[in-house]
Amino acid sequence: AQSVTQLGSHVSVSEGALVLLRCNYSSSVPPYLFWYVQYPNQGLQLLLKYTTGATLVKGINGFEAEFKKSETSFHLTKPSAHMSDAAEYFCAVKFYTGTASKLTFGTGTRLQVTL
Amino acid sequence: SQTIHQWPATLVQPVGSPLSLECTVEGTSNPNLYWYRQAAGRGLQLLFYSVGIGQISSEVPQNLSASRPQDRQFILSSKKLLLSDSGFYLCAWSPPIARNEQYFGPGTRLTVT
Repeated sequence: AQSVTQLGSHVSVSEGALVLLRCNYSSSVPPYLFWYVQYPNQGLQLLLKYTTGATLVKGINGFEAEFKKSETSFHLTKPSAHMSDAAEYFCAVKFYTGTASKLTFGTGTRLQVTL
Repeated sequence: SQTIHQWPATLVQPVGSPLSLECTVEGTSNPNLYWYRQAAGRGLQLLFYSVGIGQISSEVPQNLSASRPQDRQFILSSKKLLLSDSGFYLCAWSPPIARNEQYFGPGTRLTVT
């Protein structure tokens, strides 16, 4: 079955440290991939997306992600964490089935940034 | 530009009471529309989606229903709320062309007491 897995429900980094949030998917066909961020009591905001083309994708707020087909991964990174990056991050995948743009979401990773 | 609105922002309702949450989209035509629920500490669960007026697909059987009376309006309803209906409800839209990302509204926090 097609699925999305986010390793680590909570990640804590120091301000200025590298941020790495992991996302793996299960599919025989490369899907479309997305990262969303959610601040407390708000909706989800699109950070970046991969559809086709360059496998390293840059998004807003200094985040980027790399699609690795051989590893079925789409990990999210940021070189230097800011306090304002503290939020919950969701990986989402669009598999090539069905109608509309139905997305399958991971269970989320809460990022804590400490001084 | 496109915007998506949800109301109310917060709602406290007793068990057994009815529910109506509204979502509207501006600045686009014939969007695909979605209702999600996010329970505390959990991911997003797709409840319903719609590709056009009057066209509703249900993802999971439950105590809720959805309707799309107008092109850019999506309503989530219940005749009798359960405690388990508490959560954060998110509406989202995507362009009518498949394989595009979704854009989310600000959400409605529902507490059933």
